[in-house]
Amino acid sequence: DGGITQSPKYLFRKEGQNVTLSCEQNLNHDAMYWYRQDPGQGLRLIYYSQIVNDFQKGDIAEGYSVSREKKESFPLTVTSAQKNPTAFYLCASSPGLTGELFFGEGSRLTVL
Amino acid sequence: GESVGLHLPTLSVQEGDNSIINCAYSNSASDYFIWYKQESGKGPQFIIDIRSNMDKRQGQRVTVLLNKTVKHLSLQIAATQPGDSAVYFCAEKFNAGNMLTFGGGTRLMVKP
Repeated sequence: DGGITQSPKYLFRKEGQNVTLSCEQNLNHDAMYWYRQDPGQGLRLIYYSQIVNDFQKGDIAEGYSVSREKKESFPLTVTSAQKNPTAFYLCASSPGLTGELFFGEGSRLTVL
Repeated sequence: GESVGLHLPTLSVQEGDNSIINCAYSNSASDYFIWYKQESGKGPQFIIDIRSNMDKRQGQRVTVLLNKTVKHLSLQIAATQPGDSAVYFCAEKFNAGNMLTFGGGTRLMVKP
């Protein structure tokens, strides 16, 4: 089945450690996105990518990094520079930059 | 249906009643709107969309109304069921080349 797969679903990290969240899509979509969602709040854009080997900062990119080496994959690294990394992270993709977004099931990161 | 501080506005309805979820969007030039449903611990799912050249669009048990004069979008759910309990987000896109911008969300609680 076509879709977006995020892993892991749950992740625990000690302070000062980097962690990488995986996002893979088999929808042949050009654009991919990472959002952060805090409890009881909406979605905030971290990074997005329109094509392979290109990505742009969103509204809250500080403390995060991404890569887009393959069309299917858009991993997000939460670095130790991110001061408050505990959150629910959502990956999405769309056929183009302005199309409907298709979301993964999310990854919940907890910093201990 | 606008977000207030850290707490999502909540709409509580009785099973079988109709629900109306509201959203005030920000840009009068927005030309495309989407409603998403997000169940607890999952990624948002597309419900219905509407373009700015329409005032109303109907789906299965859902209707979206667009009032461009007051920049207001609403989602009507007929015969609300317990499975409709979720957070509902509206999203808007303005101008070609711009991405979706998400509203703060409204939590719908359905009482059996």
